[in-house]
Amino acid sequence: QVQLVESGGGVVQPGRSLRLSCAASGFVFSTYAMSWVRQAPGKGLECVAVISYDGINKYHADSVKGRFTISRDNSKDTLYLQVNSLRTEDTAVYYCARDNNADYWGQGTLVTVSS
Amino acid sequence: DVVMTQSPLSLPVTLGQPASISCRSSQSLVHSDGNTYLNWFQQRPGQSPRRLIYKVSNRDSGVPDRFSGSGSGTDFTLKISRVEAEDVGVYYCMQGTHWPPGVFGQGTKVEIK
Repeated sequence: QVQLVESGGGVVQPGRSLRLSCAASGFVFSTYAMSWVRQAPGKGLECVAVISYDGINKYHADSVKGRFTISRDNSKDTLYLQVNSLRTEDTAVYYCARDNNADYWGQGTLVTVSS
Repeated sequence: DVVMTQSPLSLPVTLGQPASISCRSSQSLVHSDGNTYLNWFQQRPGQSPRRLIYKVSNRDSGVPDRFSGSGSGTDFTLKISRVEAEDVGVYYCMQGTHWPPGVFGQGTKVEIK
């Protein structure tokens, strides 16, 4: 069965960095585009980054452009989100989701940015 | 980006009664391939979102048939024929036509009266 497992979240100070990971299993990872979607506490869903199946095409939301970078390693069936220069407003649960229609989601990893 | 607008944002319902959520997009969601990539998601308290409906009206595997989707172009609706206690949560529409990115509606909170 399809599984997406995020990791790498934690409590960090403003300005610091983290690398989030999403380990995929149960499907041919290298044939699917992938997304990172975040949800701030008590708020809605925001797609912050997207990557094509082959890693060539990438999209980053304006709110994170220049600070976050999406990447993937198809040999390891893993999706990444490098998050730099973190701000308090980046505090959220970060989910990875499969495909442009988000048919499968992980359980999420919580990033808390606080001094 | 496309803007997705849901209404109402809060929906108190009586158990066993129907419920309906509207979702409107700022642009037509008809893709050049002829499909309309409008999805509905359910997020129960403390859980990850789960897709219920894809391409306007197709239920995902395991989704009860009391959930149905309809609509076309820019106007879409999610209906629950008879609300059950396990349906409490927040429901989101999302467009996958003008992608990237996937754009979500604000969410509609369904609660029991």
